[in-house]
Amino acid sequence: QTVVTQEPSLTVSPGGTVTLTCASSAGAVTSGNYPNWFQQKPGQAPRALIYSTSNKHSWTPARFSGSLLGGKAALTLSGVQPEDEAEYYCLLFYGGARVFGGGTKLTVL
Amino acid sequence: QVQLQESGPGLVKPSETLSLTCTVSGYSISSGYYWGWIRQPPGKGLEWIGSIYHSGSTYYNPSLKSRVTISVDTSKNQFSLKLSSVTAADTAVYYCARDNYGLPAPSFDPWGQGTLVTVSS
Repeated sequence: QTVVTQEPSLTVSPGGTVTLTCASSAGAVTSGNYPNWFQQKPGQAPRALIYSTSNKHSWTPARFSGSLLGGKAALTLSGVQPEDEAEYYCLLFYGGARVFGGGTKLTVL
Repeated sequence: QVQLQESGPGLVKPSETLSLTCTVSGYSISSGYYWGWIRQPPGKGLEWIGSIYHSGSTYYNPSLKSRVTISVDTSKNQFSLKLSSVTAADTAVYYCARDNYGLPAPSFDPWGQGTLVTVSS
């Protein structure tokens, strides 16, 4: 079964920029994997941020952006706010299968 | 707007079958889309369990396929999850969500609030 890998943890300063990545054991991530990104805070359900690589939901703050970078899916936060401290998960589609990454714990410090 | 709500027993005995239902409001399941189940063990990451199309066709996580059945009841606007032969490793918060696979830009949204199921005797 395909394994999707994310950085376990990252730290960023308020106002800074950070990029989270999402890699696939099946090879390069492409737009055909329709990368999705979710934010989850303690005790809450995941909240969708980005779908199909770079599309934002109506509630997604402008400082979040999605892309493909070096064979991986990427989520970039520019001008990080304290409230961005959370766990972030990517999701990739492989035809009928969907696979979540292990998550990245983002600390804003 | 579309809302999803999970329901079912919060405690299941080992070796028994876990059964959950997701009730959808604000949208008719029979109109389209896939509908999915995801789980999250305490302190761990998200795991996709499976998804069902409004017509009844399914996709399952290969690691759970032998134990999972997802069904849809369009008359009640609900879809359901059954997971057999549960063990403590199946203890998790279970979420349902709309799985927008098949659209030009697939997404997984909205989600239910989740329900904790504990497997214990």
